[in-house]
Amino acid sequence: KAGVTQTPRYLIKTRGQQVTLSCSPISGHRSVSWYQQTPGQGLQFLFEYFSETQRNKGNFPGRFSGRQFSNSRSEMNVSTLELGDSALYLCASRQGMTAEQYFGPGTRLTVT
Amino acid sequence: DAKTTQPPSMDCAEGRAANLPCNHSTISGNEYVYWYRQIHSQGPQYIIHGLKNNETNEMASLIITEDRKSSTLILPHATLRDTAVYYCIVRDPKAAGNKLTFGGGTRVLVKP
Repeated sequence: KAGVTQTPRYLIKTRGQQVTLSCSPISGHRSVSWYQQTPGQGLQFLFEYFSETQRNKGNFPGRFSGRQFSNSRSEMNVSTLELGDSALYLCASRQGMTAEQYFGPGTRLTVT
Repeated sequence: DAKTTQPPSMDCAEGRAANLPCNHSTISGNEYVYWYRQIHSQGPQYIIHGLKNNETNEMASLIITEDRKSSTLILPHATLRDTAVYYCIVRDPKAAGNKLTFGGGTRVLVKP
């Protein structure tokens, strides 16, 4: 089976712009979670989707949003980008609500 | 989720076994021990998990003490590609919320 894929792998944006990141889970996995990883804060949970419904949400401002499609693919959107949004954004999928998670390679976002 | 304590770093000789300790003295009965690793600039990779019995897969072995207050991840024959940060996490997979919280982890350097 193919692993979790994320596009794009690298992205450079300027402050105030918005960005959309994409994640394709492992085939058959219905849960997709998004994380932000920075050297200072470590890995922080953004949100999780299961069967097109947001099931859990972390402590991020409303500028961060996401959605999941019927084929389980997910997108994450960040509006009005700030310099502090520069990070590695990771997507993880799992088969059921209790299974272990498998991560994608991440999208490295740089905001200038 | 219970807190874990890991040594910040360790070196290992290529071809030798690497034994990575993790303390989780406040683990509760429903919490599993999970291990992930993250190679530089890549997404975290699931390695193994267990509840109370020792577990083995193609990547590693997990030894959990009888009182479940500590565990050891064993990489039987370390290779240079095993150089990564290894994270030990304890959590109840059925608890509400999917978020993983990674602590500082152990930075493992495999040397030729």
